[in-house]
Amino acid sequence: EPEVTQTPSHQVTQMGQEVILRCVPISNHLYFYWYRQILGQKVEFLVSFYNNEISEKSEIFDDQFSVERPDGSNFTLKIRSTKLEDSAMYFCASSEAGRGSYEQYFGPGTRLTVT
Amino acid sequence: QQQVKQSPQSLIVQKGGISIINCAYENTAFDYFPWYQQFPGKGPALLIAIRPDVSEKKEGRFTISFNKSAKQFSLHIMDSQPGDSATYFCAASIITSGTYKYIFGTGTRLKVLA
Repeated sequence: EPEVTQTPSHQVTQMGQEVILRCVPISNHLYFYWYRQILGQKVEFLVSFYNNEISEKSEIFDDQFSVERPDGSNFTLKIRSTKLEDSAMYFCASSEAGRGSYEQYFGPGTRLTVT
Repeated sequence: QQQVKQSPQSLIVQKGGISIINCAYENTAFDYFPWYQQFPGKGPALLIAIRPDVSEKKEGRFTISFNKSAKQFSLHIMDSQPGDSATYFCAASIITSGTYKYIFGTGTRLKVLA
């Protein structure tokens, strides 16, 4: 069964450093998302991406964040200068194109720890 | 208002019992309501979902009941098993700028006692 994959599974970085989280969405999906889950809290929407551009972003997704689809398979989230409060699980999700294809499939997540 | 309220925060059920988790929303623009199951250290996995034109959907031991007028929906897990012990999130989907964004509830930590 196709699945969303994410690398790395755990990333430790120092405050102020740049990190890139990588995702490989399901191959025939065209809509991509990043969500964040701070430990013990709910999953929060960060950004949606379609046709090589951001469709929507939340208030959390400030200028320190960016997304990119550098090739036909990868989808990345970059945090330019990490803060302690960026420590969280980051989930990538993807869904099929077209109205009615509501289901979003989530990857296993990347645990980001900022020290 | 784009919030989804979920209760209870935690739930303990005996093996074989029924687990019930409730969610409520305000925004009538929500048009799809999935439930996700999450085990520790894993990503949310889609469990079952419903559209607002249906009042109930059943898949195996899992049933969603949907009350459009009350803007509430619930997950029932029949014959609960220890393997069902996980955190359950309800969500509501809304289309914005051409893509569907999920708004998640706060989660319910379910423990099924053997």
